[in-house]
Amino acid sequence: NAGVTQTPKFQVLKTGQSMTLQCAQDMNHEYMSWYRQDPGMGLRLIHYSVGAGITDQGEVPNGYNVSRSTTEDFPLRLLSAAPSQTSVYFCASSRQGSTDTQYFGPGTRLTVL
Amino acid sequence: GENVEQHPSTLSVQEGDSAVIKCTYSDSASNYFPWYKQELGKRPQLIIDIRSNVGEKKDQRIAVTLNKTAKHFSLHITETQPEDSAVYFCAASNGDSNYQLIWGAGTKLIIKP
Repeated sequence: NAGVTQTPKFQVLKTGQSMTLQCAQDMNHEYMSWYRQDPGMGLRLIHYSVGAGITDQGEVPNGYNVSRSTTEDFPLRLLSAAPSQTSVYFCASSRQGSTDTQYFGPGTRLTVL
Repeated sequence: GENVEQHPSTLSVQEGDSAVIKCTYSDSASNYFPWYKQELGKRPQLIIDIRSNVGEKKDQRIAVTLNKTAKHFSLHITETQPEDSAVYFCAASNGDSNYQLIWGAGTKLIIKP
């Protein structure tokens, strides 16, 4: 099993550009989530999904959209990139919700100029 | 909502000594408390977790204690080794939600040879 995969590993955007961060898991997990990690602030939940077709907002959802058309994939879309969105983004999955082991992807380092 | 504070932000200990990292949480309804380890440039990985119906849990050199009355939980690492050097994050479930974790800001643990 590949586990949780993310692409790209690195990305540089200009302010106002849009892009999609890809996340996929092959463990048949129902729960998937997106976090951003900033220095000194730990991990902050952006959006999560409890199954195909179901998504909800986390702590910091503004400026991001998600969809979950299949169990395996959970892409994160930046609508109009801003320098404040410069961060490392992690996708995670688990069998059932946040009170279960979270398996993280390798992360995407995003810089917005 | 839930708030998690983690101390200290940096901890330096001599190899072979013990390390203790403490987290406090605000929501008495929180019922799940995991600890994750993140090595430099890597993804976070679960090392131990505890649920609110348990006061202590051990796994070899690692233990977690939970004090529900005081609303704090701690990670204890005994006989520290160089490979324990990493950033450690605590988290707490957002109230009794099964879908959101609130994370501490992290502790950088340095093991001195």
